Amino acid sequence: DIQMTQSPSSLSASVGDRVTITCQASQDIKNFLNWYQQKPGKAPKLLIYDASNLETGVPSRFSGSGSGTDFTFTISSLQPEDIATYYCQHYDHLPWTFGQGTKVEIK
Amino acid sequence: EVQLVESGGGLVQPGGSLRLSCSASGFTFSTYSMHWVRQAPGKGLEWLSYISSGSSTIHYADSVKGRFTISRDNAKNSLYLQMNSLRDEDTAVYYCARDPAFTDAFDMWGQGTMVTVSS
Repeated sequence: DIQMTQSPSSLSASVGDRVTITCQASQDIKNFLNWYQQKPGKAPKLLIYDASNLETGVPSRFSGSGSGTDFTFTISSLQPEDIATYYCQHYDHLPWTFGQGTKVEIK
Repeated sequence: EVQLVESGGGLVQPGGSLRLSCSASGFTFSTYSMHWVRQAPGKGLEWLSYISSGSSTIHYADSVKGRFTISRDNAKNSLYLQMNSLRDEDTAVYYCARDPAFTDAFDMWGQGTMVTVSS
């Protein structure tokens, strides 16, 4: 199975800060990577698909990049409503696996 | 309204069985592949199972293979997960999720249903 490693596991930033999360795959997954946001007690929500495509209705402050084994997720200007845990997920082949999550908090 | 609603969770003893349901509305259920994903308390997300739109292709994670069975009834706009031989480690929130036609992802999720396996 492909292992997905996210970094950091948690971070604290101020409103307006640029936030970056990285996700590394244990093998080449081309651009077969998605990013999700999960708020406490809620289901995950798809934000980015195919590594860099913004899901419809998702604010443009969210973005993704990368290919192969190294990927980046960015919030250009952190907002209070962005407090959540963020997960990467590959779909190169089954089983699809997720990163362990990055918890984002407001400083 | 476009939504997925899970039901059927609850408390079950180790070795017991449970059947989860996921009711879809607001979209053409029969044209979408579907998945089950779970999340143990305080833990991350784990993909469990996939079923194609016409049920011709089914896949399972190793952790549930041979114990769980995914199925669907397109006439009833419903997805199911039959869970047998339940273990303590199956305790989790179980989500059904839709696979969009244009790529592979989970683009719509239900609210989840909690399954607790305990004696």
